[in-house]
Amino acid sequence: KAGVTQTPRYLIKTRGQQVTLSCSPISGHRSVSWYQQTPGQGLQFLFEYFSETQRNKGNFPGRFSGRQFSNSRSEMNVSTLELGDSALYLCASSSDRENTGELFFGEGSRLTVL
Amino acid sequence: AQKITQTQPGMFVQEKEAVTLDCTYDTSDPSYGLFWYKQPSSGEMIFLIYQGSYDQQNATEGRYSLNFQKARKSANLVISASQLGDSAMYFCAMREGLRWTTDSWGKLQFGAGTQVVVTP
Repeated sequence: KAGVTQTPRYLIKTRGQQVTLSCSPISGHRSVSWYQQTPGQGLQFLFEYFSETQRNKGNFPGRFSGRQFSNSRSEMNVSTLELGDSALYLCASSSDRENTGELFFGEGSRLTVL
Repeated sequence: AQKITQTQPGMFVQEKEAVTLDCTYDTSDPSYGLFWYKQPSSGEMIFLIYQGSYDQQNATEGRYSLNFQKARKSANLVISASQLGDSAMYFCAMREGLRWTTDSWGKLQFGAGTQVVVTP
């Protein structure tokens, strides 16, 4: 069974640009969550999608947005990039049929903003 | 307020020894789940073990066990017989709510992590 796949793995952008990150969840998983990881703030929850609907959102500005498609694949977008957006962005999928519902993470997309 | 506290920023452990990683949590929700994840330098978060707030017994998964002390709100991870491949960052995390109906299903709150280095 393939794991969570995130693309691209690495990218470099400049301030003011926008970026789109993609996440393909494990087959059969309908919940996709996004996290930002930085040395200063640690792991912070961005948002969760289920059946193309945002279920929950973390405390991030409106420049951070996401969406989910009918095949459960998800994208997140960051507009008007700032230096502080440099981070590892992790996507995770989980099953709504498992008792524990552990999150399975991808390897992340490492964004550098110059 | 910080909901997950990991007080050990880093630790060294010798190969084949056991190591305990501390985690305390704070929640007023009686239903919650506790997770431990491992993050090697590659970046991927690897699920290790889970404990539900109503589980009567401490969770175990191979060399990993969770020492769950509900009254103290602690959920320490014990790794027995450490291996060189165990060198990584370890995160404790919590989900408030236990059922799929919770809108926090995909939202885990993470601690700051503990860096473990296993030495030969």
